[in-house]
Parts: sequence; structure tokens; C-alpha cells
Amino acid sequence: KAGVTQTPRYLIKTRGQQVTLSCSPISGHRSVSWYQQTPGQGLQFLFEYFSETQRNKGNFPGRFSGRQFSNSRSEMNVSTLELGDSALYLCASSLEPGETEAFFGQGTRLTVV
Amino acid sequence: AQKITQTQPGMFVQEKEAVTLDCTYDTSDPSYGLFWYKQPSSGEMIFLIYQGSYDQQNATEGRYSLNFQKARKSANLVISASQLGDSAMYFCAMREAYNTDKLIFGTGTRLQVFP
Repeated sequence: KAGVTQTPRYLIKTRGQQVTLSCSPISGHRSVSWYQQTPGQGLQFLFEYFSETQRNKGNFPGRFSGRQFSNSRSEMNVSTLELGDSALYLCASSLEPGETEAFFGQGTRLTVV
Repeated sequence: AQKITQTQPGMFVQEKEAVTLDCTYDTSDPSYGLFWYKQPSSGEMIFLIYQGSYDQQNATEGRYSLNFQKARKSANLVISASQLGDSAMYFCAMREAYNTDKLIFGTGTRLQVFP
């Protein structure tokens, strides 16, 4: 079966713009979480969604937002992009929160210029 | 606050040898889960092994085993019979409760396997 699909794989945006990243979980998975990976800060938790509800949010400014749809697909949005938002954004899915295994997508590499 | 520490930025191992990647954690919660992930240059995080805080036995998955020492708060990954394809970044992570997917990651260890 298909794995976690993140689109687009690569993105280049200009400072001040906004961006929307998409994550399609494995079929049947209802829990989706997002992470930001940068060389300086490492892997940091952004959000966690289950059944269209945000259950947890990491320590990120309000420019970072997300949502989950009824088909479990999730999007995250970053407004007013800053150079420091350049990162690999990873999405993970699991059947339900607390499963022993979460499957990650290949990520979206965002570059802000 | 929960924290994961990986003190080895890089490790080298010869093919077919075993290697141990270190991980220590800090939490005051009695219920937690520990994970190891492999991240090749493609970027995808690949699940390797899981250990629950109440599990009595060390977890094993094929060539991977987790040396869980609860009193020392350590969860080292042991890779036996290293292969060239094992060269990658390895991350230790902790889930702070059982009903969440939120993971706290360490800084990672870059493993290089040479012939």
C-alpha cells in the first residue's frame, strides 16, 4: 500500500510569501503529525492532528498553522515566510495517537530566499 | 522537561562489525516510549525499533536491538553485522505519553560503514 505522501517535494519561496504543504497519510491512518528539521535546531514537533482536531502544538509562532480534513489528509501553512523557515518539513502518520510505529513521508524541502 | 541526548555526532564502523549508538533520556513521566529512526540522505525517517517504558525485555528487530537500561535512563541502539546500506543519520526519540504521536528527538548520530 502507498506510504505517506508529501507534496511538493521541493519548494522555493521569497521572504514575506506564504506556503502550504500537503500530507496524505497511509490509507486508514487517522493521526498525522508534522515536524520541522533544520541543521541548527534539529527535529522539532510542529503539530499533531487526529480526527480533524489539533491535539498538540509545538513551540512555534502563530505564522505556522495547520489543519486536517475528513479524509485525514493534512496541510500546514506558513505565512509571512522568513529565511529561518528554510527547512525539511516531515509528516508522519499512524492509525491512532500512541501507536508504536509512525510512518514518515520523504518530506518537503522548503527554501526561503 | 523531556529531553533526549545523543552524544556521538559521528561513528565509523567496518562492514560486518557491530556498533552501538548511544542515547540517554530525561523524563519524570513513568509512561513513555523510546524510538530509533534511520534517516538516509533521501530525508525519509525510517522506523527501526520501539521500547515501552514498562517493557521488561529489550526490544529486537532483526539486526537491531535496543539496550534499555531504565535506571540509567539509557536506550542504546545496537546494530549487528553492519552493512554499507546502514550508513545514515540515526535519531533517538521519546514519546512523552501513550496517547500522543508527539516525539522529542535527539540531535542524531551519523553512522558511516566502511568496507
